[in-house]
Amino acid sequence: TQLLEQSPQFLSIQEGENLTVYCNSSSVFSSLQWYRQEPGEGPVLLVTVVTGGEVKKLKRLTFQFGDARKDSSLHITAAQPGDTGLYLCARLGGSNYKLTFGKGTLLTVNP
Amino acid sequence: GAGVSQTPSNKVTEKGKYVELRCDPISGHTALYWYRQSLGQGPEFLIYFQGTGAADDSGLPNDRFFAVRPEGSVSTLKIQRTERGDSAVYLCASSLTAFSDTQYFGPGTRLTVL
Repeated sequence: TQLLEQSPQFLSIQEGENLTVYCNSSSVFSSLQWYRQEPGEGPVLLVTVVTGGEVKKLKRLTFQFGDARKDSSLHITAAQPGDTGLYLCARLGGSNYKLTFGKGTLLTVNP
Repeated sequence: GAGVSQTPSNKVTEKGKYVELRCDPISGHTALYWYRQSLGQGPEFLIYFQGTGAADDSGLPNDRFFAVRPEGSVSTLKIQRTERGDSAVYLCASSLTAFSDTQYFGPGTRLTVL
């Protein structure tokens, strides 16, 4: 059962554009992670957010954790073709070990 | 250093056959996880090992699925009497300990059951 809703499911944009993808749940997260997965590869961790209202930046990527810890967003500035991939959010379960993933947002950045 | 490796990268089998999928975790990582990713879905948890023991196998879909980690390093996921619905990418991940918040994923094994 997927407890995390990600939107949009698909996103195709031109190089240089900005975009935001979302991860929502009806439950409160203790912590949330964002991953990027490229074709034929496993997911790679981008960031972990823990505190409500937290904002983290990773170069052109900005991650925000909602104040109520039920939602998160990922904003990419000036997207590049290398940003193409499946962006997944995941909730850490009890004792941290069990990840529950959303279905992901498949991003395509066209040159 | 070497990451998580999985073999084979692709496996095609016929319905009813038995398959084994192998995972080599990062050296020194005590925790190992198996996930299954179906087309258009995020990975779904199958089983977690701490050392040699399966600490949580609640994600295994039925008793056709079994996994072992006899020496606390390499793990094998075994699927008996495969069904077409078992077709998916099987991902393995490892972490330094179960309380580490970073799981490192391998590239997966794509299983196709004809």
